[in-house]
Amino acid sequence: GAVVSQHPSRVICKSGTSVKIECRSLDFQATTMFWYRQFPKQSLMLMATSNEGSKATYEQGVEKDKFLINHASLTLSTLTVTSAHPEDSSFYICSASRLAGGLDTQYFGPGTRLTVL
Amino acid sequence: AQSVSQHNHHVILSEAASLELGCNYSYGGTVNLFWYVQYPGQHLQLLLKYFSGDPLVKGIKGFEAEFIKSKFSFNLRKPSVQWSDTAEYFCAVNALGTTDSWGKLQFGAGTQVVVTP
Repeated sequence: GAVVSQHPSRVICKSGTSVKIECRSLDFQATTMFWYRQFPKQSLMLMATSNEGSKATYEQGVEKDKFLINHASLTLSTLTVTSAHPEDSSFYICSASRLAGGLDTQYFGPGTRLTVL
Repeated sequence: AQSVSQHNHHVILSEAASLELGCNYSYGGTVNLFWYVQYPGQHLQLLLKYFSGDPLVKGIKGFEAEFIKSKFSFNLRKPSVQWSDTAEYFCAVNALGTTDSWGKLQFGAGTQVVVTP
């Protein structure tokens, strides 16, 4: 149990376009979902936390207008990178937690590799 | 701000050798502690976690970790590694008791472990 999927696994887009990444909890209800960014050879950096039905909470330095997060249901959260630029190229990973606030274990998705040309 | 330190960035060892990966954190309050593993080309998987109780926790695949509160440490161990343990290992800490960090995982930089046949 506790499987999290992400779609797409890879995406290449042109500069200035928007890209949507989906994160789904397949066999459990995720009250809280998290979005991370991972640069090569570096650790995961938390971008934002989203609770189902609420606005996402963004970490300092993360532009909320650029990285739009929607958590409309207990099994789906989306991250939209708006007006993407080459510096947004990265590996985006979501995680999901059963309990509110993420105090339970976080289960991670496989990640989405975004390349902006 | 809280921080998580993993002492070794890269470890190479032979099959059947013992493995110990260090993890220290800076937060003085109550913590939840995790070790995650990322096998090549795969997503982060939970190896083990500590929330409370016995400070020696056993995880999957023969791994264990010991929480030493006085040393702010949560070191991961395996007595005899296999080639299939080649992966990147991440220590993560959830610092409870502060509204700013509640539910958020702070990751260490990761340790790349290579097990040679």
